Amino acid sequence: ETGVTQSPTHLIKTRGQQVTLRCSSQSGHNTVSWYQQALGQGPQFIFQYYREEENGRGNFPPRFSGLQFPNYSSELNVNALELDDSALYLCASSFPTGSSNTEAFFGQGTRLTVV
Amino acid sequence: AQSVAQPEDQVNVAEGNPLTVKCTYSVSGNPYLFWYVQYPNRGLQFLLKYITGDNLVKGSYGFEAEFNKSQTSFHLKKPSALVSDSALYFCAVRVPISSGSARQLTFGSGTQLTVLP
Repeated sequence: ETGVTQSPTHLIKTRGQQVTLRCSSQSGHNTVSWYQQALGQGPQFIFQYYREEENGRGNFPPRFSGLQFPNYSSELNVNALELDDSALYLCASSFPTGSSNTEAFFGQGTRLTVV
Repeated sequence: AQSVAQPEDQVNVAEGNPLTVKCTYSVSGNPYLFWYVQYPNRGLQFLLKYITGDNLVKGSYGFEAEFNKSQTSFHLKKPSALVSDSALYFCAVRVPISSGSARQLTFGSGTQLTVLP
């Protein structure tokens, strides 16, 4: 198991609601990324946070937003939920840029169901 | 733009036989290549990576992968499959980046490996 933890593990929301997902990164990691994995697909990059600022974003609308805190933990917020937002949301943390350790370590994910 | 193709949705192999899970990529510049494994209702577990150097890289649980630049491939292999290797396997690519830039991984669609007893 990695040191990346996500909460909650599962949740069910109604269309139009808002949701916040949380992630604690592995010790020593200052970079956190979020991915959306729809059923039967590979993970899709949502955005990345480095030093508390978003420094990269995939093809997701602005209603997907995030935060990174001084302890490097992170939140993913999704407003105005749509049925297609139902997916496994994965958080990944990695070592500081420039480190020889280049792989990302993933949490167990949050399964979001929008009804 | 970078992309990854995993041409096989499903690979079946008998226990004890060698296995190969295929991956090809498209990227500008020199790629960083990764394999991850996912068990049901779990996150992704890192298996191995290619950054530079020897084209044959060894990873966790006896897996290895061969980087072939001319064929832009990074196939995952194991000499002798185990039933416990049955899982969903993802190939991913990203490019080397400057300090502070996004470490975006681009994943393939995944290959379901089933090892039959």
